[in-house]
Amino acid sequence: QEQLEQPGAIVKKPGASVRVPCKGSGYSFTGYYIYWMRQAPGQGPDSIGWINPSNGDTYYEQKYKDRVTLTRDTSINTVHMELSRLTFDDTAMFYCARGFRLDVWGQGTHVIVS
Amino acid sequence: QSVLTQPPSASGTLGQRVTISCSGSISKIGTIYVYWYQQVPGMAPKLLIYRNNQRPSGVPARFSASRSGTSASLAISDLRAEDEAFYYCAAWDDTVTGPRVFGGGTKLTVV
Repeated sequence: QEQLEQPGAIVKKPGASVRVPCKGSGYSFTGYYIYWMRQAPGQGPDSIGWINPSNGDTYYEQKYKDRVTLTRDTSINTVHMELSRLTFDDTAMFYCARGFRLDVWGQGTHVIVS
Repeated sequence: QSVLTQPPSASGTLGQRVTISCSGSISKIGTIYVYWYQQVPGMAPKLLIYRNNQRPSGVPARFSASRSGTSASLAISDLRAEDEAFYYCAAWDDTVTGPRVFGGGTKLTVV
């Protein structure tokens, strides 16, 4: 079964950084880009960027460019999203999703800045 | 870039057919495709439609979509209780690097 696994919730203090893992299984991990999306309550998903697990190439949307870093570890089929300089406004659900069609989604990680 | 507008809510009764619209300023129209996602509260979004009107395997034929110019719509026939969810349209060009743009979502209530 193709799936992406994420932790349910992570709590951080303002000013800290958060590192969210996304582990793929059931498919060729290096065969699909991984996209990261942020979803605030009551809103649609907002694109953060993507990483190519095969070679580590990354792309970041302009609004996140200064604070986000995407990395991958192919030995454990995992990509990480690190978001720095957290503020209360960063409290949201963060999802990883597979491929340019976003056809498989992780269950989401609730990042709580408190 | 694209800005996509959806009605905030829609409703229908069991067995009915409902449509959800999506419109906006979609740039590079010739290369932009529309996608639709279903999100049950508390769950991750699920791909319903890709490339304007294609259904992934496992998505029932009750779900269909169309696109005309800068507008698109999702139709759900034979409405069921489990269809109650948020529905998001999204659009991007069919390349890896294209920005992923989502609409604000439509809450479908089945009465």
